[in-house]
Formats: sequence, C-alpha cells, structure tokens
Amino acid sequence: AQKVTQAQTEISVVEKEDVTLDCVYETRDTTYYLFWYKQPPSGELVFLIRRNSFDEQNEISGRYSWNFQKSTSSFNFTITASQVVDSAVYFCALRSYNTDKLIFGTGTRLQVFP
Amino acid sequence: DARVTQTPRDKVTEMGQEVTMRCQPILGHNTVFWYRQTMMQGLELLAYFRNRAPLDDSGMPKDRFSAEMPDATLATLKIQPSEPRDSAVYFCASGLTGGYNEQFFGPGTRLTVL
Repeated sequence: AQKVTQAQTEISVVEKEDVTLDCVYETRDTTYYLFWYKQPPSGELVFLIRRNSFDEQNEISGRYSWNFQKSTSSFNFTITASQVVDSAVYFCALRSYNTDKLIFGTGTRLQVFP
Repeated sequence: DARVTQTPRDKVTEMGQEVTMRCQPILGHNTVFWYRQTMMQGLELLAYFRNRAPLDDSGMPKDRFSAEMPDATLATLKIQPSEPRDSAVYFCASGLTGGYNEQFFGPGTRLTVL
C-alpha cells in the first residue's frame, strides 16, 4: 500500500527563522515520483517541485530546498529565512510510475509571524 | 498563462437540491481529477478521467454523485440530492498522463449545503 505521512500538523515560526517540513512515504515500487504543493490562504494548490525515485540530488530554489533520502523514505522541505508570505498549508504527495493518481499527505499548516 | 478554471466559485444551496460544478482543464491536458477537501478528511480523490474516459470513481458516493466529461474542454461533477455533509471545497485538476507530470489545480468550488 502507498502512503504519505506528514506528522507535523501545524508549525509556527517567527519571520526569518528556518523551518523544515517533514514528509515520509511508503511504497513498494522502485519507480515513483514525489511532489510538494503549497495551498495559500486563497485556497488554490500550487505545484512547487517534483522528484523521481532515481534522483536523490537535493534541490535548491531560492529560499526553498528539498532533501530526498530513499534510505529513510523521506522527502523533506526546508524554507530558509521564512517570510509571512510563506504562511500556507503544504502538501507532500506520492505517485507510482504506473498511475496518474496522487496520494496526498494530510498537510502541514505553516504560520509565519512577523 | 494556462489555468484550470472552475465554476461556480461559491455555491450555497439547500439540502435536496441538485448541484453541478464545472471545470475547464488546461488545453492539451488529457487527465482530469476531481478532489474534495474538508477539515476532517483532508484531500480526497473522488474521480478521474484519462482521455475523457472515467478510470476511477471509487472515492465517490455513487448513489448521489456523478462525474462526466462531455468533451475535452469540460468536466462536470453533479450531486443529486445534496446533503449537508457534502459541504466542502471541490477541486478540479488536470495534467498530462505519466507519473512525472504534475497536476494543475483549479481555484476550487466552495459548496455549502444548508
């Protein structure tokens, strides 16, 4: 069975703090894909990044970085020097190679206070 | 900038009424998904289509919900009769088939059934 666990329900930080959002997944497939989405207060889910299971290179995009570790089945997301605009719910998702369906985690609500 | 559009954005109705939600996927996308988001259940996949053919509607209450794609530019989700427990935000998403492709989400329809 496939599953995505985001154990952190809610995180609160003060602006400029670094914050890491955890994502742990379960799958028996050797080929799979991982995604992060952001859902700001406006409601629309916005795609942030995807990773395939053969690419364990970490990725950095501005203040955002992602750490993919197959050994621990984790795909964590770090925001450096957080800003109020980062306040949102963040979802991690998993997809197997042979399906179009995404398995979403329950999301982590991040609140960044000024 | 191509986007998934959904109408209506907000719908308030009384129990027992029929509700129809519409979605226009991004031109060229061949997969369309319907999700429901509630505080209690999170994001649930209700149904999805590939090349307009329904592939999976196992997440949908069959007795009252129906999803169709009359053509490649329109997907509909109907609830008849609606019940208060159907109150939620309904998202449509579209994408290209293939595990590495992300899904693009619409802004959602907020449904309130009184």
